[in-house]
Amino acid sequence: GDSVTQTEGQVALSEEDFLTIHCNYSASGYPTLFWYVQYPGEGPQLLFRASRDKEKGSSRGFEATYDKGTTSFHLRKASVQESDSAVYYCALSDHYGNEKITFGAGTKLTIKP
Amino acid sequence: GPKVLQIPSHQIIDMGQMVTLNCDPVSNHLYFYWYKQILGQQMEFLVNFYNGKVMEKSKLFKDQFSVERPDGSYFTLKIQPTALEDSAVYFCASSLDGGAGAETLYFGSGTRLTVL
Repeated sequence: GDSVTQTEGQVALSEEDFLTIHCNYSASGYPTLFWYVQYPGEGPQLLFRASRDKEKGSSRGFEATYDKGTTSFHLRKASVQESDSAVYYCALSDHYGNEKITFGAGTKLTIKP
Repeated sequence: GPKVLQIPSHQIIDMGQMVTLNCDPVSNHLYFYWYKQILGQQMEFLVNFYNGKVMEKSKLFKDQFSVERPDGSYFTLKIQPTALEDSAVYFCASSLDGGAGAETLYFGSGTRLTVL
């Protein structure tokens, strides 16, 4: 079945540091890829998505590029802020059947002021 | 943006009892989902629902689980009887179209279910 692997379970950075969260996927078809963000006490919110190879998704300074060759969709931000502290989920939708979203395990990002 | 409301936010029940989790989806949305998140773990798909029917369910959607949306009101997840391993946060989501690749899923804030 489809799966999403996030390498980092937790990331701790200082403000203005560069962020990378690695995401690799496995899918039988040509999935749409997502990054979701979840703040404490809330449900996940869509950060952005990408549907085609080499497509870049971006929002709020975060970005990721769909790479079909390496089956990756790594999240990056050049300069993080304390308000970016949250859990980030990489996810995919396989476009077959009823198109549920499959989530990765999540990465807890903590930004120290 | 669009809001999905989940009622209640917390529920504590004794093992073996029945529980119903309620979700008020975005008003014009047609597709509905339940996800389960055990504390500190990832979001796991349970079921999706359209036009009065379950479209797909995962292995986590046990026989004790059922979903319905009578007369366009709340989308509900019922567990009868509950078991200790059902303790988790349950998230409801809805989308305008079933094309999750094209349409955004909007999630509620979750119902934390504790089974004693």
